Amino acid sequence: GQQVMQIPQYQHVQEGEDFTTYCNSSTTLSNIQWYKQRPGGHPVFLIQLVKSGEVKKQKRLTFQFGEAKKNSSLHITATQTTDVGTYFCAGRVGSNYQLIWGAGTKLIIKP
Amino acid sequence: DGGITQSPKYLFRKEGQNVTLSCEQNLNHDAMYWYRQDPGQGLRLIYYSQIVNDFQKGDIAEGYSVSREKKESFPLTVTSAQKNPTAFYLCASRGIYEAFFGQGTRLTVV
Repeated sequence: GQQVMQIPQYQHVQEGEDFTTYCNSSTTLSNIQWYKQRPGGHPVFLIQLVKSGEVKKQKRLTFQFGEAKKNSSLHITATQTTDVGTYFCAGRVGSNYQLIWGAGTKLIIKP
Repeated sequence: DGGITQSPKYLFRKEGQNVTLSCEQNLNHDAMYWYRQDPGQGLRLIYYSQIVNDFQKGDIAEGYSVSREKKESFPLTVTSAQKNPTAFYLCASRGIYEAFFGQGTRLTVV
């Protein structure tokens, strides 16, 4: 079946270091979305990417959609404690409204 | 405030018991979804509804049932046939393109 693989499962960083999570799809996606889930909370929508090769920025967060529309990444520059949580990608195939979710990458700030 | 309200926040179920999780939205969204989240894992789709009086099974529908009698409401029943129901349950609705989630219900079998 259609899958979106997301790596790594966990990433431990010192505050101020960068963080990156990657998603790869087995099929071409029509678009991809990114969500953040704080510990004990619910997923909150961050952004949607639609175009091949698209890059979008939100302050310290940079989102990319691959040229083949099969992969995407989220990069956070100079992490802060407020960035802690799990980041999920979710893709759509064709005109299907169902989202195919990645397993998430948990960002942990080392004490 | 517009949003999705799930209740209760915590729920304890005895073995062999059916329980119903509530999900209400005032966003006027047509499509609603139920997901299950296990520790350290992503979201798995249980059921979804694109419109009132219609719903479809997701990837893990066995042991669950839903109804969609009103646009605002999409309750989920966890039946005794669900052998491993302990999990975090999330209800969502779809806006123009993004999903809006409720606060979730954490269900524990005791």
